[in-house]
Amino acid sequence: EVRLSESGGGLVRPGGSLRLSCVASGFTFDTYAMSWIRQAPGKGLEWVLFISSSGVTTSYIDSVKGRFTVSRDNSKNTLFLQMNNLRVEDTATYFCVRQGGGFFDYWGQGALLTVSS
Amino acid sequence: QSALAQPASVSGSPGQSITISCAGTSSDVGGYTAVSWYQHQPGKAPILVIYGGTKRPSGISDRFSGSKSGNTASLTISGLQAEDEAEYYCCAYSGESMYVFGSGTLVTVL
Repeated sequence: EVRLSESGGGLVRPGGSLRLSCVASGFTFDTYAMSWIRQAPGKGLEWVLFISSSGVTTSYIDSVKGRFTVSRDNSKNTLFLQMNNLRVEDTATYFCVRQGGGFFDYWGQGALLTVSS
Repeated sequence: QSALAQPASVSGSPGQSITISCAGTSSDVGGYTAVSWYQHQPGKAPILVIYGGTKRPSGISDRFSGSKSGNTASLTISGLQAEDEAEYYCCAYSGESMYVFGSGTLVTVL
């Protein structure tokens, strides 16, 4: 059974930093690209970033470029999201998601990030 | 990137069919075959119901079907059931390993 389990969410002040982790199980992690997708309270889903199976290729939406960094440790089946210089508008539930060929086939339950003073 | 345009809400009676539209541009919906649809119920993780524009993942009811014409994709739910009540999102590939979601459509079963 494919499982994706996020951790590391919490309350952060504007300008602060936080790192989310996502532990994967039930599939060969190092053969799948991954993404982080978020949902702000009362809003829709928003794709945030992508990382290739090897970790060599990444892509980000403009609003997080230079502030967010995605990485992965394939030896530990773990995906990371380092978030710096956080803004109030980054408040959201962040989903760790497995990518198929141009779609997202398995989602974690999400980790809640609240950015507030 | 602007969100793909979806109607805010669609409703139908049990047994009826409904269709949700997803309007994009030639740079996303119209430019690639990678259009997918997700069902999202409160408190649960989203579920993939359509990928590649028209394909259903294993375990998804054949009451769900997808199509595309030009820059607009559509999701049809036939034989509407109470369990289909959820928010539905389309998503399209927009090049360079980037994706854009639709604004979401709340489906209500009357």
